[in-house]
Amino acid sequence: EAAVTQSPRSKVAVTGGKVTLSCHQTNNHDYMYWYRQDTGHGLRLIHYSYVADSTEKGDIPDGYKASRPSQENFSLILELASLSQTAVYFCASWGGYEQYFGPGTRLTVL
Amino acid sequence: GDSVTQTEGLVTLTKGLPVMLNCTYQTTYSPFLFWYVQHLNEAPKLLLKSSTDNKRTEHQGFYATLHKSSSSFHLQKSSVQLSDSALYFCALSDQGNTRKLIFGLGTTLQVQP
Repeated sequence: EAAVTQSPRSKVAVTGGKVTLSCHQTNNHDYMYWYRQDTGHGLRLIHYSYVADSTEKGDIPDGYKASRPSQENFSLILELASLSQTAVYFCASWGGYEQYFGPGTRLTVL
Repeated sequence: GDSVTQTEGLVTLTKGLPVMLNCTYQTTYSPFLFWYVQHLNEAPKLLLKSSTDNKRTEHQGFYATLHKSSSSFHLQKSSVQLSDSALYFCALSDQGNTRKLIFGLGTTLQVQP
C-alpha cells in the first residue's frame, strides 16, 4: 500500500510566525498535493506538484507557498501564519488512479 | 467549471438499515468518480471508484453505480453498521494532466445502536 507520511502531526504556531509542514512519500509517485480541511468546507486544494522543483497553485493558494525539492518530499510553507489558517492539512500523492492521503497535520494558530 | 454536489450534510440511521448518500456532478470531460471515507481523526481513504457507465462497483459492502445520463454516483449499503459512522466524500477527477480531484463538501453518516 502507498505510504505518505506527514510531520509534524500537530503544531501550535503564533500569528505572524513561519510554519513549515512536511510530507514524504515512498511510492515513486510524480503527483503530490496539499489540502486543507475545515468543517463545512470539505477538502480544498492549496498547491500541487507533478515534478520535482516545480509547484502549481491550487484553488486556495493565497497565504501559502510550496516546495518540492525531490520526488519524495513536498512542503507547505506559511510565511506569516494567520488565525484563519487554523485547520487540518493533508498531503496526498497520486498513483494507480487514486490519491493516497497522509495522516494529516492539525495546525492551530494563536 | 467541474463540480460535485453532496446534498446531505448529516445522515443519522439506526444500525441494520439501508443507506444512500447522494452525489451528483458536472463536468465537460468523461467522468471518473470516487468515494472516499474518513473516520474520526484519520486520513481519507478510497472506498470506491468508477468511470464505467451503468456498472455497479462494490467494496466492503458499499456499492455505487455511475449513471452518466443523470450525472450521479450515489453510495449505497444495504445494512449499515456502527463502524460505518464516518465522513464520506464524493470526488471527481478532472481527467487532465494534473490528476486533481474535485471534492464535494462531504456527508457525515452517524449510525446509532
